[in-house]
Amino acid sequence: QSVLTQPPSASGTPGQRVTISCSGSSSNIGRNTVNWYQQLPGTAPKLLIYSNSQRPSGVPDRFSGSKSGTSASLAISGLQSEDEADYYCAAWDDSLNGVLFGGGTKVTVL
Amino acid sequence: EVQLVESGGGLVQPGGSLRLSCAASGFSFSSYWMHWVRQAPGKGLVWVSRINSDGSTTNYADSVKGRFTMSRDNARNTLYLHINSLRVDDTAVYSCARGVVGASASAFDIWGQGTMVTVSS
Repeated sequence: QSVLTQPPSASGTPGQRVTISCSGSSSNIGRNTVNWYQQLPGTAPKLLIYSNSQRPSGVPDRFSGSKSGTSASLAISGLQSEDEADYYCAAWDDSLNGVLFGGGTKVTVL
Repeated sequence: EVQLVESGGGLVQPGGSLRLSCAASGFSFSSYWMHWVRQAPGKGLVWVSRINSDGSTTNYADSVKGRFTMSRDNARNTLYLHINSLRVDDTAVYSCARGVVGASASAFDIWGQGTMVTVSS
């Protein structure tokens, strides 16, 4: 059971906006930045958002991240078929002295 | 090309041992924190361990503490994960990942494709 809680699934039609939440606690999201990963089927995870809201080079600006208190969210605007993937949030936990991943959210484009 | 390539996985009986390797190329390996992350079949990502750039500091997930040992050889640009007392629930794809300089400890910008470890009798 992940300490960072994500909804198991989310969906939308092409062009819609989808938001994925990631809920943590004061020892992880509350004190540290959040990163988001996209994992396409059968591939290695890809860093999508780092430091809560920063996009690595090459990541489309359709992807955006935010953080407030002990929660974070990833938004995908202008949903496209190639966005079908699993999405994971991650944060360092000061109590565990380790990295926590959320359980993952499977995004389906209807 | 910046690349991480894992090897060393396989089928092992419960209680057995393995040494996983991760060969790095295309970047200054000795400048980066490195991590191991695992993913059981059909399940999510789970962080396993990390090591600092010179190998003097390591951290482990509670589930592997005392059984797994992470190390690195900067001269060979290679990362290792020594796994002892393997359990059935250690079955997973093990991937190495590079930490992002200047970002939090949970930001990994380069990932390998992983090596499969199967623990079964």
